[in-house]
Amino acid sequence: EVQLVESGGGLVQPGRSLRLSCAASGFTFDDYAMHWVRQTPGKGLEWVSGLTWNSGSIGYADSVKGRFTISRDNAKNFLYLQMNSLRAEDTALYYCARDKNPAYNYGGPQDYWGQGTLVTVSS
Amino acid sequence: QSALTQPPSASGSPGQSVTISCTGTSSDIGGYKYVSWYQQHPGKAPKLMIYEVSQRPSGVPDRFSGSKSGNTASLTVSGLQAEDEADYYCSSYAGGNNSPYVFGTGTKVTVL
Repeated sequence: EVQLVESGGGLVQPGRSLRLSCAASGFTFDDYAMHWVRQTPGKGLEWVSGLTWNSGSIGYADSVKGRFTISRDNAKNFLYLQMNSLRAEDTALYYCARDKNPAYNYGGPQDYWGQGTLVTVSS
Repeated sequence: QSALTQPPSASGSPGQSVTISCTGTSSDIGGYKYVSWYQQHPGKAPKLMIYEVSQRPSGVPDRFSGSKSGNTASLTVSGLQAEDEADYYCSSYAGGNNSPYVFGTGTKVTVL
């Protein structure tokens, strides 16, 4: 059974940093691209970042480019999202999601999702 | 990229059908065959119901079907059941390496 379990969320002040983790199990992790997608009540679902199976190609939404860094450890079956210079508008539930393909920008879909970890940016 | 447009709500009685629309542009829905639909129950993660416009993942009932015409995609749920009451989101590939996916605004389906 495919399982994705996010962790690392919490309350953080604007301008500070946070690192999200996603533990993957139940499938061959390095066969698939991975994504981070966030959800807010007001803006709905928003794709944040994705990377290919071997981290050879990485992409970011314009809203987080230059502030967020996605990475993966295929030996440990973990996906990460380093979030720097956090803003109030980054407040959201962050989901880790698996792509159906080895490449993140090959049309998708994101076929399995974790339960999410909540990030709240507030002073 | 702007969010895809969905109606805020839709409803139907048990056994009836409901169709949800998802409108984009020629840069997303109209330009690719990569339209997906997700079901989300309160407090739960999104679940993939349809991909590549009309393909159903293993385990998804054939009551769920998808289609596309021009810049608009549609999800139809036939033979509505109580457990189909949920939020539904469409998604489309939009090309490129950055922001390659755009999601819809979401539709709350109510089973009357």
